[in-house]
Amino acid sequence: GAVVSQHPSRVICKSGTSVKIECRSLDFQATTMFWYRQFPKQSLMLMATSNEGSKATYEQGVEKDKFLINHASLTLSTLTVTSAHPEDSSFYICSARRQLEPQHFGDGTRLSIL
Amino acid sequence: GNSVTQMEGPVTLSEEAFLTINCTYTATGYPSLFWYVQYPGEGLQLLLKATKADDKGSNKGFEATYRKETTSFHLEKGSVQVSDSAVYFCALTDLISNFGNEKLTFGTGTRLTIIP
Repeated sequence: GAVVSQHPSRVICKSGTSVKIECRSLDFQATTMFWYRQFPKQSLMLMATSNEGSKATYEQGVEKDKFLINHASLTLSTLTVTSAHPEDSSFYICSARRQLEPQHFGDGTRLSIL
Repeated sequence: GNSVTQMEGPVTLSEEAFLTINCTYTATGYPSLFWYVQYPGEGLQLLLKATKADDKGSNKGFEATYRKETTSFHLEKGSVQVSDSAVYFCALTDLISNFGNEKLTFGTGTRLTIIP
């Protein structure tokens, strides 16, 4: 079945640094990729929708300059958390889909900002 | 707008018990409905789905029927196992109200623990 790889699975870094998270669709070309954020014991909140070769569409309340999304190819999207602070600590999950199929999710990245 | 209301947890059951996790939805168009499962420290896995009214999704002994009249998609399993312990999310996607974008709207999740 379709596999989505997310890397890294866990990252711990100092406040003020930028962190890049990669999301790859391993055995299919994804027309759309999604980035979600999940707080402890809560649901997933959609941050942005990303189509290859175009700018990401951000949900209301998500800072574009804070969470940079690049979707350079049909198999790779990256999320960069710029100048991260402790309040950005969270579990970030990506998903990818091809047309007419459900979203396939990565295993998530746990980001901890000290 | 679209929304999903899910039974609050946590839910604790004994092995081989019957499971029901309630899910109701609000959507302006013709949504597709999903159940996702999240094991500890992992992302989400699609458990089952239904794309139109009266469809029944099933997988791994779990079932859910798309009930348009009650706007529900309750998850059931006749005999749960310890390995079913996870968080379960009900979700919908609605192409029409989202202008062709298949973004998912999730419920808050229900944590299920099965004890031997």
